[in-house]
Amino acid sequence: DAGITQSPRHKVTETGTPVTLRCHQTENHRYMYWYRQDPGHGLRLIHYSYGVKDTDKGEVSDGYSVSRSKTEDFLLTLESATSSQTSVYFCAISESKRSSYNEQFFGPGTRLTVL
Amino acid sequence: QKEVEQDPGPLSVPEGAIVSLNCTYSNSAFQYFMWYRQYSRKGPELLMYTYSSGNKEDGRFTAQVDKSSKYISLFIRDSQPSDSATYLCAMTGSGNTPLVFGKGTRLSVIA
Repeated sequence: DAGITQSPRHKVTETGTPVTLRCHQTENHRYMYWYRQDPGHGLRLIHYSYGVKDTDKGEVSDGYSVSRSKTEDFLLTLESATSSQTSVYFCAISESKRSSYNEQFFGPGTRLTVL
Repeated sequence: QKEVEQDPGPLSVPEGAIVSLNCTYSNSAFQYFMWYRQYSRKGPELLMYTYSSGNKEDGRFTAQVDKSSKYISLFIRDSQPSDSATYLCAMTGSGNTPLVFGKGTRLSVIA
C-alpha cells in the first residue's frame, strides 16, 4: 500500500466549530488531493496541491481551505463546519510525469459527522 | 449535465457471470480512462488504466474505450464474490490535471 495516512479516521463535531483533517504521505509524491465522497455524488475534488505552498481549487471548494507547508503533509480545514459537510473525506497522492497518466493512490478516508 | 455519467446500480449477479459496467462522458478532451475499485469503508484503488481508444485486458478484467461514442466499459469475466465492491470510472485530459469521477456502480456477486 502507498504510504498515506489520514487523521483522524473518525470525527463527530458540532455546527460552527473549526475542523482540520490531516493527510500524511511517505512517498515524496508531488501532487496531493482532497476529495469528499457522498451517496449519489461519488468522489468530488475539493482542493489539490501541485507542490509545497502551491494549491488550487476543485469542484466543491466553498467552505474549505487547505495548506501544504511540507511535501508530506496536506491539511484540509473547515473554518466553520456545517451539516452539509458531513461526508467521507479521502486524500490522494500522485507523482508528476508529464508524458503519461499519474496513478492516484488513495488514503483510508476520514468519516466526518457534523451535528 | 455532469461530465461523467455512471449508473449507480446496485447490480447483483450470480457467481461466474460476466459483468459489464459502463460510463459515458461529454468532454472530448479526455484521453486517460481509469477504473477504480472500492471495497466497503476503504479508499479506491486503481484497477485498470487505458490511454485513448482501444481495449486492455488484465486477467479476468477488460477495459474498453470508444472515444467516438464517448463511452467506456469494464468487463469482468467469471465474476467472484470477492469482486463485490463499488466500481468508479475516472478520466482526465492530461497526466497532471485532476481526475473526474463517475458516481460509482455498486456490484454484488452472489455465491
